Amino acid sequence: DVKVTQSSRYLVKRTGEKVFLECVQDMDHENMFWYRQDPGLGLRLIYFSYDVKMKEKGDIPEGYSVSREKKERFSLILESASTNQTSMYLCASSLTVNEQFFGPGTRLTVL
Amino acid sequence: ILNVEQSPQSLHVQEGDSTNFTCSFPSSNFYALHWYRWETAKSPEALFVMTLNGDEKKKGRISATLNTKEGYSYLYIKGSQPEDSATYLCAADRGSTLGRLYFGRGTQLTVWP
Repeated sequence: DVKVTQSSRYLVKRTGEKVFLECVQDMDHENMFWYRQDPGLGLRLIYFSYDVKMKEKGDIPEGYSVSREKKERFSLILESASTNQTSMYLCASSLTVNEQFFGPGTRLTVL
Repeated sequence: ILNVEQSPQSLHVQEGDSTNFTCSFPSSNFYALHWYRWETAKSPEALFVMTLNGDEKKKGRISATLNTKEGYSYLYIKGSQPEDSATYLCAADRGSTLGRLYFGRGTQLTVWP
């Protein structure tokens, strides 16, 4: 079974802090994705990566950056956390096409 | 951005009722349509992937149909059970090798005992 893990289930940070969310997948998938989920808005794509060191902006990249130094790991970085970044963050991975496999999510609260 | 719409936004039914909801998507540049189920406190899990016009997939009491010419898919649940309570997401796939999916906002289903 594909396993996608995220570093924390719950995280509380203060405004202005730099925040790292880590995602690791164990199935040698090329593609990895970061989404945020907010009530009534569904899953919105922040960034995705199709190879090591390669990244593409999604629909809402502002205030975020990403890093993919190894194939299995994809990090989401909030350079200076703000309260409007309080959300559920989901990581996913996939082979070149089709089904995405999701991690359990990180619920981030920025105070 | 590829606009994927789901309706209704939420649905409350009694145990034993059958229900269905809709996903609509642009029919141009279409490759596949994905359905996911997302239960509270769990990860979204894939239900179906459909590619061909007229495709119909079934898993237990849940089935889905696809009309690529008019750009819609229906998800049906027969004899809903409380364990079917979840958010059902659909996603359109353009077949990009980058693997990007375009998700709708989901339909939140609550099944009351």
